[in-house]
Amino acid sequence: KAGVTQTPRYLIKTRGQQVTLSCSPISGHRSVSWYQQTPGQGLQFLFEYFSETQRNKGNFPGRFSGRQFSNSRSEMNVSTLELGDSALYLCASSWGSVGEGNTEAFFGQGTRLTVV
Amino acid sequence: AQKITQTQPGMFVQEKEAVTLDCTYDTSDQSYGLFWYKQPSSGEMIFLIYQGSYDEQNATEGRYSLNFQKARKSANLVISASQLGDSAMYFCAMREGYFNKFYFGSGTKLNVKP
Repeated sequence: KAGVTQTPRYLIKTRGQQVTLSCSPISGHRSVSWYQQTPGQGLQFLFEYFSETQRNKGNFPGRFSGRQFSNSRSEMNVSTLELGDSALYLCASSWGSVGEGNTEAFFGQGTRLTVV
Repeated sequence: AQKITQTQPGMFVQEKEAVTLDCTYDTSDQSYGLFWYKQPSSGEMIFLIYQGSYDEQNATEGRYSLNFQKARKSANLVISASQLGDSAMYFCAMREGYFNKFYFGSGTKLNVKP
């Protein structure tokens, strides 16, 4: 079956702009979570969506937002970009509920965002 | 407090030898899952192995096994017969309950020497 697809793979944006990243989970998975990875802070949780609802949220400013569609695809948006937003953004796809299928969680290849 | 602690920033291992990557965790939940991921320089996170908190036996997946010691809250990854392609960053992660919210350690950079 197809893996987790993140688009685009690379982005270069200017400070103050906004950006939208996309994540298509594995078929059948209803949960998508997002992470920011930087050399200084490591991997940090942004938010989780399950069945189109935000279920968990990390400690990021309101400039970071997301949504999930009925087909489980998720987008995250960062408005008013800052230099410090330069990072690898990863999404994880999972079953998201109690059950045997919840023993796996697969990540996409990530979107590398550079803010200049 | 850190949820996941990986105390080995970097490790070297000779090709074909076994290596253990350490991971300790902290949670008060009874139901949780422990995961190991491999991240090559390309950036993708590759799922290696999973251990549930209620699993009594250590998980194994090919050359990967997870040494789960619940009382000590440790979940060490053992890679047997290391290969050059195993050189990468390795992350230990924990999920509490069934939510898709992961806590990650700081990672261990493994270098396999020929």
